[in-house]
This record gives sequence, structure tokens and C-alpha cells, in this order.
Amino acid sequence: QVQLQQSGPGLVKPSQTLSLTCAISGDSVSSNIAGWNWIRQSPSRGLEWLGRTYYRSKWYSDYAVSVKSRISINPDTSRNQFSLQLNSVTPDDTAVYYCANIYPFDIWGQGTMVTVSS
Amino acid sequence: QSVLTQPPSASGTPGQRVTISCSGSSSNIGSNTVNWYQQLPGTAPKLLIYTNNQRPSGVPDRFSGSKSGTSASLAISGLQSEDEADYYCAAWDDSLNGYVFGTGTKVTVL
Repeated sequence: QVQLQQSGPGLVKPSQTLSLTCAISGDSVSSNIAGWNWIRQSPSRGLEWLGRTYYRSKWYSDYAVSVKSRISINPDTSRNQFSLQLNSVTPDDTAVYYCANIYPFDIWGQGTMVTVSS
Repeated sequence: QSVLTQPPSASGTPGQRVTISCSGSSSNIGSNTVNWYQQLPGTAPKLLIYTNNQRPSGVPDRFSGSKSGTSASLAISGLQSEDEADYYCAAWDDSLNGYVFGTGTKVTVL
């Protein structure tokens, strides 16, 4: 049974980088049939897909247009996990961040409340 | 800013049938499959319906989904108190090249 465990800070200062990690158990980040996503939820934006990474003989990453210039999602094969980095954050990036497996997203992490504030 | 539009609320008494709509466009619902999620307070969304009308293992058959054109619907028949939650639709959007979610509907059991 696939499980996702998130970790990372709950408070980030404006203009800094938000970094979260999602550890995978029960599957491989390098699986040729898997995919790994980050999604966030806030009262102002609702549920918002941020991006994904997946391996199909080589690594691919896709990002939402709204964050494309500031985001990076990377696999860590040695630790069987994947990460989210969101640069130049503002208070508008305050949200609960979730990792999830391949669409239709049947497995989710527990969520991390991230507040952007000085 | 959600791309798919849902009514903000829906309600019914125990045993009733409740239907939630999800309105999109030709670039999302009109050309891709729809999924539905249930979110209880303080928890992550849970997949309820995938590929328009398929239920994952463990989801009661009281929940059903359908799609027509650029809209989709989730129906809950035999409403129960534990169905009180927020419900979201989702689909891939060909124009945005990304997944989009609905605005969410809060279901209240009266």
C-alpha cells in the first residue's frame, strides 16, 4: 500500500524559498508507471495543482502556468522521495500543501500548513 | 482561481438524493475525464469517483458520477450524516496543460 509522508517548515519569510519533501513508501519514485504531484489549498485559491515529476525512461517535470517561473519539483532516487521548491514566496503562497501520487490522485500526503510571514 | 464551477452549497435530509454539478469548458471536461473528491474537515481530499463514473474500492455505491458535454455531476443517494463534507471535481485542461479543480461544494445533512 502506497503511503506519502510530508516534511518541511511551516513558516517561511516573504521573498524566501518554500521547500517541502514527500517520502514514498510502497512504491518507487522511479517507477515507469508512477507520477508524483504537488497540490495546494487556500481559501482564496481553492485547490490548485502546482506540478508533477515522473520517470518514463528519463525524468520529466510539468508545472502550472501560475507558478512556472518560481517552481521546481525534483525526485530524490537515493531517498525514494520528491521535493517541492517554490521561490520568491509572498503571503499569497500561504496554503496547505499536499503531495499526491499519479492522477487521479488516489493517494495523498497528510498536508503541511505553510504560512508566509515575516 | 478555480477553472471548474460548482455550487457553493447543497443540502438534504438523511435518505434524500443530492446532486452536485461541475461546469467546465471544451478544453477540460469537454475533452477529458472527470474525477471527484470528498474532503472531511482537517483531512486531505479523498478520491471518490474517477474516469467520470468509476468508484475506487471501498467507496459506497451511493456515490455516482456522470458527464455530459462540458459538465459533470456527482450524485449522493441515500444521504447519510457522514456524507457531510466538501466535494471537488477535477480534470486535465488541454489549454493550461495542467490539472484543474472545481470551486468546491459543501454538503450539509439537515
